[in-house]
Amino acid sequence: EVQLVESGGGLVQPGGSLRLSCAASGFTFSSYSMNWVRQAPGKGLEWVSYINSGSSTIYYADSVKGRVTISRDNAKNSLDLQMNSLRDEDTAVYYCARIVPGSYFDYWGQGTLVTVSS
Amino acid sequence: QSALTQPASVSGSPGQSITISCTGTSSDVGSYNLVSWYQQHPGKAPKLMISEGSKRPSGVSNRFSGSKSGNTASLTISGLQAEDEADYYCCSYAGSNWVFGGGTKLTVL
Repeated sequence: EVQLVESGGGLVQPGGSLRLSCAASGFTFSSYSMNWVRQAPGKGLEWVSYINSGSSTIYYADSVKGRVTISRDNAKNSLDLQMNSLRDEDTAVYYCARIVPGSYFDYWGQGTLVTVSS
Repeated sequence: QSALTQPASVSGSPGQSITISCTGTSSDVGSYNLVSWYQQHPGKAPKLMISEGSKRPSGVSNRFSGSKSGNTASLTISGLQAEDEADYYCCSYAGSNWVFGGGTKLTVL
């Protein structure tokens, strides 16, 4: 069974940093590209970042470019999102999601809540 | 990276059919046959319902179908059931990024 479990969310002050992690199991993690997608409270989904299986191709949404870094460790079956210079508008539930050829997200984690507030 | 346009809400009675539209541009929906649709119940993670415009993943009811014409994709749910009440999001690949719609709240009357 495919499982994606996010962790690392919490309360952080504006300008602060946070590192999110996603532990993957139930599939060959090193064969799949992965993404982070977020959802602000009461709002819609917003794609954040993409990383391919070998970490050679990485994309970021304009809203986070320069402030976040996506990375993965295929030996540990883990996906990370380092978030710096956090702003109020970064407050959201952050989901990790597996993506397959055909560019759709077939499995999602349960999400981790990041709250940016003073 | 502007969001795709979806109606904020739609409603229908049990047994009826509804269609949710998703309008993008020639840079996303119009350029790629890579629109997907997700169902999200309150407090839950999104669930894939339709991929690549019209493909239904294993386990998804055949009451759900997708289509696309030009810059607009559509999700149709036939034979509405109470459990279909949820938020629905479209998503399109846009060449090195993905863009979601604003979401549509489906109410089953």
